[in-house]
Amino acid sequence: GESVGLHLPTLSVQEGDNSIINCAYSNSASDYFIWYKQESGKGPQFIIDIRSNMDKRQGQRVTVLLNKTVKHLSLQIAATQPGDSAVYFCAEIRWTDSSYKLIFGSGTRLLVRP
Amino acid sequence: SQTIHQWPATLVQPVGSPLSLECTVEGTSNPNLYWYRQAAGRGLQLLFYSVGIGQISSEVPQNLSASRPQDRQFILSSKKLLLSDSGFYLCAWRGGGKESNYGYTFGSGTRLTVV
Repeated sequence: GESVGLHLPTLSVQEGDNSIINCAYSNSASDYFIWYKQESGKGPQFIIDIRSNMDKRQGQRVTVLLNKTVKHLSLQIAATQPGDSAVYFCAEIRWTDSSYKLIFGSGTRLLVRP
Repeated sequence: SQTIHQWPATLVQPVGSPLSLECTVEGTSNPNLYWYRQAAGRGLQLLFYSVGIGQISSEVPQNLSASRPQDRQFILSSKKLLLSDSGFYLCAWRGGGKESNYGYTFGSGTRLTVV
């Protein structure tokens, strides 16, 4: 099956600094990407998405960058706050077998130091 | 508005016992439904998905099964649990149709510990 079984890397940042979380995806046919935030003991929450025909999209304090050439996705969080501490997952959506499948990439744990 | 419910929130079961986790969605019709499992400190693994009543696709061979008896109900089951079935189980839904690019919405999850 398609899954990620890697131990989660950790990014530690100072409160107020900007954070950059990176993700590599595997399928060049994927046409839609999503970043999720998961707090301990909870389900993932949608942060921001981007279509494959775009290379940048901005939200409130967050920006997603997509580089299709190297199949790389990044999430930038401006002025990181303690409430941003969580695990962040990138995910790609593929249309296969008459259904969309949301396939998660490797997660990153973000720790914000006060 | 659409909501998704999962229960129970936590469950401790002995090895060899059966399992039934339920997920229901409200405020939408004909959703695509998904079951994911997350091991401690790891990513999410897609287990099953369903595009309609009675239609189940399995992503990985395993000790679990899924069923969709009603349009907005998705059930994850096992006849005999294994220790390796422990994990955080998440149900998710999205609007159906190829032209739809709605984001997925996840339930609050069930933490299963097999002892």
